[in-house]
Formats: sequence, structure tokens, C-alpha cells
Amino acid sequence: GAVVSQHPSRVICKSGTSVKIECRSLDFQATTMFWYRQFPKQSLMLMATSNEGSKATYEQGVEKDKFLINHASLTLSTLTVTSAHPEDSSFYICSAGDPMTSDIEQFFGPGTRLTVL
Amino acid sequence: GQQLNQSPQSMFIQEGEDVSMNCTSSSIFNTWLWYKQDPGEGPVLLIALYKAGELTSNGRLTAQFGITRKDSFLNISASIPSDVGIYFCAGQGGAQKLVFGQGTRLTINP
Repeated sequence: GAVVSQHPSRVICKSGTSVKIECRSLDFQATTMFWYRQFPKQSLMLMATSNEGSKATYEQGVEKDKFLINHASLTLSTLTVTSAHPEDSSFYICSAGDPMTSDIEQFFGPGTRLTVL
Repeated sequence: GQQLNQSPQSMFIQEGEDVSMNCTSSSIFNTWLWYKQDPGEGPVLLIALYKAGELTSNGRLTAQFGITRKDSFLNISASIPSDVGIYFCAGQGGAQKLVFGQGTRLTINP
């Protein structure tokens, strides 16, 4: 089955620094990937849609200059949290669909836990 | 924006009991999905529903897509310890976007 990986799985950083999170589709190509944020004991909230070769589409209320998304290839999307602050601490999850097998199913990565001190 | 109301928020049951949870929406969705999330991991798809009124089973799991396209339920029969986790419903609308419910946290007493 389709596998999505994320790196790193955990990251701790100081306030004011930037953190990059990678999302890779390991055995399929994904023209579209999605980035979610999940606070403790809460649901997943879609942050943005990452489109290969074009600009990401951000959900209402998500700052595009704060959360930089780059989808440089069909197997890699990156999310950079710029000038991170403690309130950015969260569980960040990406997903990707394999258009060769399904137009609907999305496969989720294992998530990245970000802690900003 | 679109919201899904999922209930109950948590359940505490005995091993072997059946479980039922549901989701309602103010909007119509083309597809309803049910996911399970274990601590510190991403969600895993359990069941996908594509047609209004559809009833689908996956082992001990059964889910139905409401006729109005605004609701869905998930049943788990004869629960076992590995069923512990958080269950999320999700509606899929345009551009493959998913809207998630608040989740149902399932705890099983052996």
C-alpha cells in the first residue's frame, strides 16, 4: 500500500527559530499533498494544500508567510514553520493521495511533534 | 466553515461490548470516511463510504452513509483491546479536502 513518511518525527526548538518538516510519498507520486495541525486532544485541522510545481493553497486563518510550503517534486513537500513560538507547538501531519489507485483515499504520514521552547 | 459534530467524545466500555459512534454535518459531503488514530501516529483509514445510504463492513466494523449525505455512523462489534484509540469521521468535499470530526476516544476495560 501507499506509504507516506515524515521527518523529523520530533523536534524541539527555541522560540524565534525556523523548523522544516518533510513529507515524502515513498512508493507513489503525489501531485497534491495536504498539511494538517493537531493540538492535544483535538481534531486535525487542514492548514494548506500543497500543489506540485505551484503555490500552496492556504485555509482561512493560516498565515502563508508563517507556514511556508514547498512542493518541489512529486514525492516531496516541505512545511517550514518560520520564527516559531510556543503557540506553534503542535502535531503536524501530512497526507497524500495516489491518483493511480484512488481519487479519494489519502494516506497519512506518522506526524511530526513540534515543541517550541 | 464546514463542521462535523461527532459523538460521543469518549467511551469507556468492557471488552466484548459493541460500540457505536456517529457524525452529523450541516453540509453535504460526497464521501464519508472513518479513521482510527493511535497516540503519536497519523490516522489510518478504516472505511470509506461513497454513496448515500451505503452500508459497508470491514471485519467487525460497519459504517453507513446517511441518505441526506449529512451524517454517518460507525459500529464496532465485539470490541477487543486493540480497538483502543481515537476514531475520527471525515467528510470529503471538493478538491479532495477533508473535514474531520472532533473524534471519539475509545477506552476498553479488559
